[in-house]
Amino acid sequence: EVQLVESGGDLVQPGRSLRLSCTGSGFTFGDHAMTWVRQAPGKGLEWVGFIRSKAFGGTTEYAASVKGRFTISRDDSKSIAYLQMNSLKTEDTAVYYCSRDYGGASDYWGQGTLVTVTS
Amino acid sequence: QLVLTQSPSASASLGASVNLTCTLSSGHSSYAIAWHQHQPEKGPRYLMKFNSDGSHSKGDGIPDRFSGSSSGAERYLTISSLQSEDEADYYCQTWGTAIRVFGTGTKVTVL
Repeated sequence: EVQLVESGGDLVQPGRSLRLSCTGSGFTFGDHAMTWVRQAPGKGLEWVGFIRSKAFGGTTEYAASVKGRFTISRDDSKSIAYLQMNSLKTEDTAVYYCSRDYGGASDYWGQGTLVTVTS
Repeated sequence: QLVLTQSPSASASLGASVNLTCTLSSGHSSYAIAWHQHQPEKGPRYLMKFNSDGSHSKGDGIPDRFSGSSSGAERYLTISSLQSEDEADYYCQTWGTAIRVFGTGTKVTVL
């Protein structure tokens, strides 16, 4: 059974940093790109970024709203994808989800982890 | 710019059918999309991937009540025999080489 579990969400002050983790199981983690998506309170789903599999260079892409502040990485030996968030803003407050990429679509999702940015 | 447009809300009676629409932006009418269901306090659930040629693939355990279709730049999700647990937000998603895009979502209410 494919499972994705996010962790690392917390309450942080503006300008600080936080790292989220997404641990996968039940599939060959290294074969898939991994995507991060967030949902701010009362809003819809917003794509944050994704990391390609090593077979496709392991390169990353980001939404304009987070580019230069957020970094996605992966450790395939541990089946973990990371979302490093720097220079956090109040508007980054959201539930953050990771998902497995299936040719562009997100075909499995985690349960999410809450990040609250407030002074 | 790759954009998906969805109506904010839809409703239908228990046991009836509801049709949701997702419209691709101009110049992107051939793009494939995916549909996701998002219930409160849960992670989203992948329903299906739908291509403009009508081919599709469903997620694990997705009942036959959920079906997709397309016409031009519009992609449709039909939920038949509506059940109370179908009350949720539904999002369409599309993608390019370096981008993923979600629609604004449609809130489905079961009357």
